[in-house]
Amino acid sequence: DIQMTQSPSSVSASVGDRVTITCRASQGISSWLAWYQQKPGKAPKLLIYAASSLQSGVPSRFSGSGSGTDFTLTISSLQPEDFATYYCQQAASLPLTFGGGTKVQI
Amino acid sequence: EVQLVQSGAEVRKPGESLKISCKGSGYKFTSYWIGWVRQMPGKGLEWMGIIYPGDSDTRYSPSVRGQVTISADKSISTAYLQWNSLKASDTAMYYCARHIPHSDSPTAIDSWGQGTQVIVSS
Repeated sequence: DIQMTQSPSSVSASVGDRVTITCRASQGISSWLAWYQQKPGKAPKLLIYAASSLQSGVPSRFSGSGSGTDFTLTISSLQPEDFATYYCQQAASLPLTFGGGTKVQI
Repeated sequence: EVQLVQSGAEVRKPGESLKISCKGSGYKFTSYWIGWVRQMPGKGLEWMGIIYPGDSDTRYSPSVRGQVTISADKSISTAYLQWNSLKASDTAMYYCARHIPHSDSPTAIDSWGQGTQVIVSS
């Protein structure tokens, strides 16, 4: 199985801050990476797929980059509704696997 | 509009069986992989397995293979997750999830069900 390691596990930030979350795969996955946002008590929501493609309806302050083993999710200017937990997921091979999550908190 | 609507919360005793469901609408059910993701209390997301309703091709994560069964009834656009003998450690929220296909393989999840809470307790 491909292991996905996210860092940091949590980050404290303020409204307007630029936030960067990283995800590392245990082996190369090309651009087969997705990012999700999950708020408490809710199902996850797809933000980014194919490493850098913005899902329809997702604000442009979210962006993704990277290929191979190292990937980044950036929130350019944190908004109040962005406080949540973020997960990366590799889609290069089965079983699909998620990172451990990054909680973005005030 | 794509929708995945899951069955309601369940409380069972260890050793009991259970089958939860996920009904898809707003898209061609037989053309997308649909799978299940587990989230234990206070923990992260764990991908369990997937089925392609068009031909019933089913794949499992090694961590759950033999513990659960994934199936689908394409005539009613519904996928299922089934246990024959529940354990306390099966207590979790279970999400069904539609996967974006690419060259016949599942990739990112673009639509999620609302979740089914399963509690297993004596």
